[in-house]
Amino acid sequence: AQTVTQSQPEMSVQEAETVTLSCTYDTSESNYYLFWYKQPPSRQMILVIRQEAYKQQNATENRFSVNFQKAAKSFSLKISDSQLGDTAMYFCAWVSPNTGNQFYFGTGTSLTVIP
Amino acid sequence: SQTIHQWPATLVQPVGSPLSLECTVEGTSNPNLYWYRQAAGRGLQLLFYSVGIGQISSEVPQNLSASRPQDRQFILSSKKLLLSDSGFYLCAWSVLRTSGVNEQFFGPGTRLTVL
Repeated sequence: AQTVTQSQPEMSVQEAETVTLSCTYDTSESNYYLFWYKQPPSRQMILVIRQEAYKQQNATENRFSVNFQKAAKSFSLKISDSQLGDTAMYFCAWVSPNTGNQFYFGTGTSLTVIP
Repeated sequence: SQTIHQWPATLVQPVGSPLSLECTVEGTSNPNLYWYRQAAGRGLQLLFYSVGIGQISSEVPQNLSASRPQDRQFILSSKKLLLSDSGFYLCAWSVLRTSGVNEQFFGPGTRLTVL
């Protein structure tokens, strides 16, 4: 079975600083996709960034970037120049076309940006 | 563009009463549809997913059921609610892009309180 682990239940960062959220996963699949979702206090789940496993280049979206280590099955999210609006729960997720469209989510990391 | 709707946004129901939560997707065809439950401060628990009309897969045995009467409509139901059914219910859809990326997008959620 596929598992996704987020080992940091809570984190905090000073405004304008950089923070890294960790995510590891366990799978025997070679073709899969990884995502980071953000859930602010409004509870609307927002897709932050995606990574295709076959791509070696790390994905970036403005202040958000990932460090994808396929061999280590690690997928961390780096937030640069943290802003107050980044305060949210962050979920890592995994899906593979070979396992029937089911998404596997980690338990989340609660990030607080301190002014 | 695609949009996903959920209603009601908030619901307070007595124990033993029935439940019907509705989710509809616009702007796409033949999406995969999902129901998740999120307890306070917790991660996402996949309840049901559907790859087509009338096709429902259940992930967690419980007193909830799901139906997909139309391609873009997904309904979560219960005949008799339990206190443990309280939580935040999220509907999501996904579609395999031509790029090969399978992305999942979420509705605004329904906050259910069972008293």
